Amino acid sequence: DSGVTQTPKHLITATGQRVTLRCSPRSGDLSVYWYQQSLDQGLQFLIHYYNGEERAKGNILERFSAQQFPDLHSELNLSSLELGDSALYFCASSVENGSPTDTQYFGPGTRLTVL
Amino acid sequence: DQQVKQNSPSLSVQEGRISILNCDYTNSMFDYFLWYKKYPAEGPTFLISISSIKDKNEDGRFTVFLNKSAKHLSLHIVPSQPGDSAVYFCAVNYGQNFVFGPGTRLSVLP
Repeated sequence: DSGVTQTPKHLITATGQRVTLRCSPRSGDLSVYWYQQSLDQGLQFLIHYYNGEERAKGNILERFSAQQFPDLHSELNLSSLELGDSALYFCASSVENGSPTDTQYFGPGTRLTVL
Repeated sequence: DQQVKQNSPSLSVQEGRISILNCDYTNSMFDYFLWYKKYPAEGPTFLISISSIKDKNEDGRFTVFLNKSAKHLSLHIVPSQPGDSAVYFCAVNYGQNFVFGPGTRLSVLP
């Protein structure tokens, strides 16, 4: 158990809908990262928040947005969902602000299925 | 265009032997490399890392080698155990962006 929690574990929805994925980092961690893993693909870095502020953006679509709240939990919002958005979404947390030596601890992921 | 490549989607090794997982990258500015292991239905777990100022880093049965001129790194697992069967991702931390390879599925046969 990494100490990072993600809810829900599974989510099934229809095209055009909007969903919110939630992540609670490990106690004491200030950074939260979001990743997408499509079928047979590697992890695609989406976005990084540190202590409530956006720090880095990766391959995140405009239909997707995220935020980190004062209690440090984070939410990833996916809107106007398409079939291709079906994937595993992972959240990770770390103590520091994305320094190279910072270790990320991953949650178990949310499996999103868009029908 | 993939910046981090793992050209072997899968690898099978006998228990007790050495497992060698390879990773190639394209950007010579990358300076910090990591390996993660992932079991089914779990998130990735950090294994070992190496900075570009080193060419080798060891942690127990796991050793990572970095060849900067070839833009290549490898993860050696000796001896391999059945519990090592998992998907292994090579990753780069670059300017607060993280780039992952597509992964190699390692199967260690008893």
